[in-house]
Amino acid sequence: AQSVTQLDSQVPVFEEAPVELRCNYSSSVSVYLFWYVQYPNQGLQLLLKYLSGSTLVKGINGFEAEFNKSQTSFHLRKPSVHISDTAEYFCAAINTGGFKTIFGAGTRLFVKA
Amino acid sequence: DGGITQSPKYLFRKEGQNVTLSCEQNLNHDAMYWYRQDPGQGLRLIYYSQIVNDFQKGDIAEGYSVSREKKESFPLTVTSAQKNPTAFYLCASTTLASQYNEQFFGPGTRLTVL
Repeated sequence: AQSVTQLDSQVPVFEEAPVELRCNYSSSVSVYLFWYVQYPNQGLQLLLKYLSGSTLVKGINGFEAEFNKSQTSFHLRKPSVHISDTAEYFCAAINTGGFKTIFGAGTRLFVKA
Repeated sequence: DGGITQSPKYLFRKEGQNVTLSCEQNLNHDAMYWYRQDPGQGLRLIYYSQIVNDFQKGDIAEGYSVSREKKESFPLTVTSAQKNPTAFYLCASTTLASQYNEQFFGPGTRLTVL
């Protein structure tokens, strides 16, 4: 992967509303794709990953993401968010057989009551 | 429980001092990484190591040094040559036996220069 772009730096949303966090990547080879979540002053935790096969992948905490090869996108969605989903979310990519993971700049999700 | 530990959680440094950040993992992972995180910039790779006694520079290695004398340990030294070291530092590891190299992260060390 050469780059990962997260299209929104901040996303405010009301509790129980749906949310989509957008991610595009560029690569000349096949990639594996990941979404990580980071709560304040903590490390990153893996939410979900796309390796191959079904383009819709489900992760923890009710999140899912869809891989779209033609649009080189891997958007993260949740149908109904909770206050506890407030965190920073990172999209990441690594070339198949590669070693260095490329991270996007992050999207800060803020869930309001 | 297996995992990655980083210490200290908070670190304060005076200008001109070298400081060392600890990273230890008991996951039996082959590869270890150091990232720097600044607001709005995501994670930037400082150094990484695939095997003991070997490591490579990442994208922002200037002013930093590392060692990998044991598989479990990958300490990072922030030297006085690093012009702006105040940041959140994250250590990660992965097994090279995995085809997709999913990374596992430690809780981070926040370094502040006084």
